[in-house]
Amino acid sequence: KAGVTQTPRYLIKTRGQQVTLSCSPISGHRSVSWYQQTPGQGLQFLFEYFSETQRNKGNFPGRFSGRQFSNSRSEMNVSTLELGDSALYLCASSMTVAGTEAFFGQGTRLTVV
Amino acid sequence: DQQVKQNSPSLSVQEGRISILNCDYTNSMFDYFLWYKKYPAEGPTFLISISSIKDKNEDGRFTVFLNKSAKHLSLHIVPSQPGDSAVYFCAAKRGAQKLVFGQGTRLTINP
Repeated sequence: KAGVTQTPRYLIKTRGQQVTLSCSPISGHRSVSWYQQTPGQGLQFLFEYFSETQRNKGNFPGRFSGRQFSNSRSEMNVSTLELGDSALYLCASSMTVAGTEAFFGQGTRLTVV
Repeated sequence: DQQVKQNSPSLSVQEGRISILNCDYTNSMFDYFLWYKKYPAEGPTFLISISSIKDKNEDGRFTVFLNKSAKHLSLHIVPSQPGDSAVYFCAAKRGAQKLVFGQGTRLTINP
């Protein structure tokens, strides 16, 4: 059974640009959550989607948005990139909303210059 | 508001000894707790969990202890092995709400 797949693995963008990250969950999993990891801050929750609906949302500005498709794949978009958005963005899938066991992808390393 | 805190950014333990990683939380409504392990360039992997109705859960070399009155949980690894060197995150949740993670502790096992 394939794991959680995130693309791209690495990305370099310029301040002011926008970026879209993709996440394909484990087959059969309907919940996808997004996290931002920065040094010293741990994993900060961005949002969770289940059955194409946002179910939970973290404390990030509106520049961060996401969506989920009918096949459970999810995308995350960040507009007007800032230097502070440089981080590892992790996606996790689980069978149910906020499932007790979430499986993570390898992440997308975003660098904003 | 950091609801889950791992106050030790790093920990160094000799191979074969016990590693104890600690985690404190502030929200008494959390009812499920998890530990994740993360190697560089990989996503976190689930290690072990515990429900708030229990105070101990064991899986091989890994044991998690929960002290609800102190709002504290710990992960014990014994014996520690070089492959255990990684960053460990504790996480907590309440019902169907989001997982809240700590900042992580970098564990280094020395030969």
